[in-house]
Amino acid sequence: GAGVSQSPSNKVTEKGKDVELRCDPISGHTALYWYRQSLGQGLEFLIYFQGNSAPDKSGLPSDRFSAERTGGSVSTLTIQRTQQEDSAVYLCASSLGASEKLFFGSGTQLSVL
Amino acid sequence: DQQVKQNSPSLSVQEGRISILNCDYTNSMFDYFLWYKKYPAEGPTFLISISSIKDKNEDGRFTVFLNKSAKHLSLHIVPSQPGDSAVYFCAARSGAGSYQLTFGKGTKLSVIP
Repeated sequence: GAGVSQSPSNKVTEKGKDVELRCDPISGHTALYWYRQSLGQGLEFLIYFQGNSAPDKSGLPSDRFSAERTGGSVSTLTIQRTQQEDSAVYLCASSLGASEKLFFGSGTQLSVL
Repeated sequence: DQQVKQNSPSLSVQEGRISILNCDYTNSMFDYFLWYKKYPAEGPTFLISISSIKDKNEDGRFTVFLNKSAKHLSLHIVPSQPGDSAVYFCAARSGAGSYQLTFGKGTKLSVIP
């Protein structure tokens, strides 16, 4: 079956603009995660969705970041008024339940000029 | 403050020899550890894991060892193959029911034919 799909694969934007990143999880996976990897760093947890429960937003670095998950499937991560330090690879993952075994997408490489 | 540390950014090994990737952690609440493998332009893929109640887990050419007293784990790959060349991330979970993984910065393994 299809894996986790993310779009776009690359996004170049100007400082101050808003961006939307999309994630299509594996069908049937109830849990969805967003992580990001800045250059030379490990993966940093951003947000977690599980079924109809309220998401855990504790990893979002500022209020410019928000995410939603519609219909328990597709998720969108929105970054408002982008800054240069937002440049990173944004990775989406899904899992069957709250599992430690995550299935990652290929990521969106975001570059803020 | 890094809770999961991979102190070697890179490692080169001859094909057929053993590769040993190391990971140290500081949080004694971590109860489950995982290794993910990442090829360029792809998302990380799950490789192998170990529960904190065990000291060894083996899967084919891959073995993970856990030394709880030293807060250290290692991934052994034997024999190493050129296709093993990738970035390896160590990750840890802090307790059953926790869904956040804490990742190290990764070690880039190069297997030389």
